[in-house]
Amino acid sequence: GEDVEQSLFLSVREGDSSVINCTYTDSSSTYLYWYKQEPGAGLQLLTYIFSNMDMKQDQRLTVLLNKKDKHLSLRIADTQTGDSAIYFCAESIDGNKLVFGAGTILRVKS
Amino acid sequence: GAVVSQHPSWVICKSGTSVKIECRSLDFQATTMFWYRQFPKQSLMLMATSNEGSKATYEQGVEKDKFLINHASLTLSTLTVTSAHPEDSSFYICSSTDDRTSTYEQYFGPGTRLTVT
Repeated sequence: GEDVEQSLFLSVREGDSSVINCTYTDSSSTYLYWYKQEPGAGLQLLTYIFSNMDMKQDQRLTVLLNKKDKHLSLRIADTQTGDSAIYFCAESIDGNKLVFGAGTILRVKS
Repeated sequence: GAVVSQHPSWVICKSGTSVKIECRSLDFQATTMFWYRQFPKQSLMLMATSNEGSKATYEQGVEKDKFLINHASLTLSTLTVTSAHPEDSSFYICSSTDDRTSTYEQYFGPGTRLTVT
């Protein structure tokens, strides 16, 4: 079945780059997403990438997709304390049913 | 961007009672809304897809008689947890797609924390 896996925790220093990794199993995945969740809040869509793309950049965010290895990464440049949150990777075949990873807790030390 | 609200943000109820959670799209119409459940330190699990004017589609293992979904208008979907028990305590999050834009972007509400005592 569908499965999405992420590392559970990442700690970085303010100003460094953060790289959060995700692997998925469903080769039919068409859309891949990164969401951010702050404590007690809902999910904020950060960015998404289509499966026919290798890379997408949006300001400080860079998403890399290796479709062959079913590996997705999110790089946050110049990480700030406000980036501390849980980051969820998700995949979808049709954009309706999203399958989420367990989330990566990003802690930014000042 | 599209804004989705939920009400209440948190609720405590006694075992055996029913609780209704509302999900509203504030500045757009939403034919399709989704209900997720999130356990502490775990991921979101899709419970059901709510379609305006028709019956919701439930994921495998989700009891439709226990989690009643009504999507009576293009801006409101409700989830009613019937005869709640402590194991129903969880964080319930709704999301929606915007009818005006692409169907692959979902906008999430802030969530409702349900505690059943």
